[in-house]
Amino acid sequence: VHLVESGGGLVQPGGSLRLSCAASGFIFSSFEMNWVRLAPGRGLEWVSYISGIGSTQFYADSVKGRFTISRDNAKNSLYLQMNSLRADDTALYYCARDYGGNSDGLDLWGQGTMVTVSS
Amino acid sequence: QSALTQPRSVSGSPGQSVTISCTGTSSDIGLYNYVSWYQQHPGKAPKVVIYDVSERPSGVPDRFSGSKSGNTASLTISGLQADDEADYYCCSYVGSYRKLFGTGTKVTVL
Repeated sequence: VHLVESGGGLVQPGGSLRLSCAASGFIFSSFEMNWVRLAPGRGLEWVSYISGIGSTQFYADSVKGRFTISRDNAKNSLYLQMNSLRADDTALYYCARDYGGNSDGLDLWGQGTMVTVSS
Repeated sequence: QSALTQPRSVSGSPGQSVTISCTGTSSDIGLYNYVSWYQQHPGKAPKVVIYDVSERPSGVPDRFSGSKSGNTASLTISGLQADDEADYYCCSYVGSYRKLFGTGTKVTVL
């Protein structure tokens, strides 16, 4: 049971980046998924949520209108399209699986992919 | 919405107990019985140690326990061990599938 993020890197302010998260070992389409980030010297911040079939998405106010979460269940993959990037988006980005159902919490995390926004 | 408030650090000797508080509002911790806690060692991914206020995932030692009273949740680590030294984050469901994390607490084993 694994989640593996990729796609991070160095990007200039105002630029774009697309993160991917490959899932394995479980029925991906049965689980709601999230992106969470950890900025240097700061704590964890929830970024975005997507339902199992991808029909529902929610975003933190700090990224709303700039980031788009999506998924391809046929490819067992989760994505985060990040546009209009700012310096304060610099962080380690994790994908995380939600317990779902009548429970709340993130029971499976990837190792993260680093995004650095700098000129 | 501001992050939930946690003490910056707590410490204890091996075998002792430490408790980490997580203070929110009536719109998050006080409204939902959905508080989770995460342990993060340096350079590692976070790991859930408590969910749904007091539920412990399989594989997590019963030295870890969670509770909630009003707008404040707590994580207690009893029988402190060297490997418990890590950063700990609380997290509350805040409606509309959103989550709010705490500011984080560094636990030091003396």
